[in-house]
Amino acid sequence: ETGVTQTPRHLVMGMTNKKSLKCEQHLGHNAMYWYKQSAKKPLELMFVYNFKEQTENNSVPSRFSPECPNSSHLFLHLHTLQPEDSALYLCASSQVLTSGGHPTLDTQYFGPGTRLTVL
Amino acid sequence: GNSVTQMEGPVTLSEEAFLTINCTYTATGYPSLFWYVQYPGEGLQLLLKATKADDKGSNKGFEATYRKETTSFHLEKGSVQVSDSAVYFCALRGGYQKVTFGIGTKLQVIP
Repeated sequence: ETGVTQTPRHLVMGMTNKKSLKCEQHLGHNAMYWYKQSAKKPLELMFVYNFKEQTENNSVPSRFSPECPNSSHLFLHLHTLQPEDSALYLCASSQVLTSGGHPTLDTQYFGPGTRLTVL
Repeated sequence: GNSVTQMEGPVTLSEEAFLTINCTYTATGYPSLFWYVQYPGEGLQLLLKATKADDKGSNKGFEATYRKETTSFHLEKGSVQVSDSAVYFCALRGGYQKVTFGIGTKLQVIP
């Protein structure tokens, strides 16, 4: 059971295409994340949005462009990708709690992922 | 920086066998520790967590105890089922929004 949905579930695109991945969370969370999952590698955190503001960009190439129009929706816009970008792209959300002025991260909940193949 | 080490597998067990998947970590301070499970074709699901030393997380027959002295958070289950076949990820959260995942251990349970 998950309150985080992702579309499409599968995407095949050429290197010159432009496409977008969509994530929606129904959990009332205020932080959203994009991760990349490649075979035989740990999950790579790509972007973090906290209250719709991007708070982290882990040296991700500019051919990946995130957008967070509101706290429930997160997009990943793709253009001129490379074959090595083929992977499972996972979205997650969580609540950011503030205690004594210090933010702390509550548990992350993941969507099912988009399996991306770049030809 | 923070890191999580776990065996890649695959770990192959017969149904009803005892399961242990080892996880050790390196972190500063007092991280929270997690086990996530990923079934084929799906995203990660939180399996259990522990937020301080000596805490035991448990869910669906799985258990893991936060051992600060050995910096470990090994996952155990007394009797695995075919339906437990999945990839299991150990993770830690140290500090604001920094979750570090292990490489994932694939478990195959055969009837």
